[in-house]
Amino acid sequence: GQQVMQIPQYQHVQEGEDFTTYCNSSTTLSNIQWYKQRPGGHPVFLIQLVKSGEVKKQKRLTFQFGEAKKNSSLHITATQTTDVGTYFCAGPWTGNQFYFGTGTSLTVIP
Amino acid sequence: NAGVTQTPKFQVLKTGQSMTLQCAQDMNHEYMSWYRQDPGMGLRLIHYSVGAGITDQGEVPNGYNVSRSTTEDFPLRLLSAAPSQTSVYFCASMGRQGAFGELFFGEGSRLTVL
Repeated sequence: GQQVMQIPQYQHVQEGEDFTTYCNSSTTLSNIQWYKQRPGGHPVFLIQLVKSGEVKKQKRLTFQFGEAKKNSSLHITATQTTDVGTYFCAGPWTGNQFYFGTGTSLTVIP
Repeated sequence: NAGVTQTPKFQVLKTGQSMTLQCAQDMNHEYMSWYRQDPGMGLRLIHYSVGAGITDQGEVPNGYNVSRSTTEDFPLRLLSAAPSQTSVYFCASMGRQGAFGELFFGEGSRLTVL
């Protein structure tokens, strides 16, 4: 069954505003990954988090892994139209599969 | 490198018809998998394989078969298509880099069952 819950399902922001999506689990996660899927496209790997409290940045994107390793977030600063798409978290790796969250669809209004 | 290649990109079937979605990767990845994507449901695992000759079921395997005769290819077979199988299907592969690595996805196959 579903290992990770992701919120919100949809988010509309004005260009330049910030955006955050959250991924939560009832159990401790060994690791968590984040993927981006552009409209009509396929998921593309963004990053993997492994350590408790880990924070990683990719330009305007900030990824965090909670201290208890039960939640994670993706924050985008000053959104641009190129950020449009659906963002998925995936975790944990069970040895043979990942469980994907339901995704957050981001719309950026110019 | 081409990465992960899926064919066909689009397909329309009638209920009861059978078909095979093809997936090939040229990265020598041991792990391959099939997901289906439905609105509001995220990506759900259908079947996966950890190497040639080895396959196993994922979260939603009913109505689908797979085989893995070579490292490169991992076809997904729909034996008797049903409207509930209307979906977007993604093949993904992963190299066994330590305990886990990133998934590389194909461009997807959009299937409609009438």
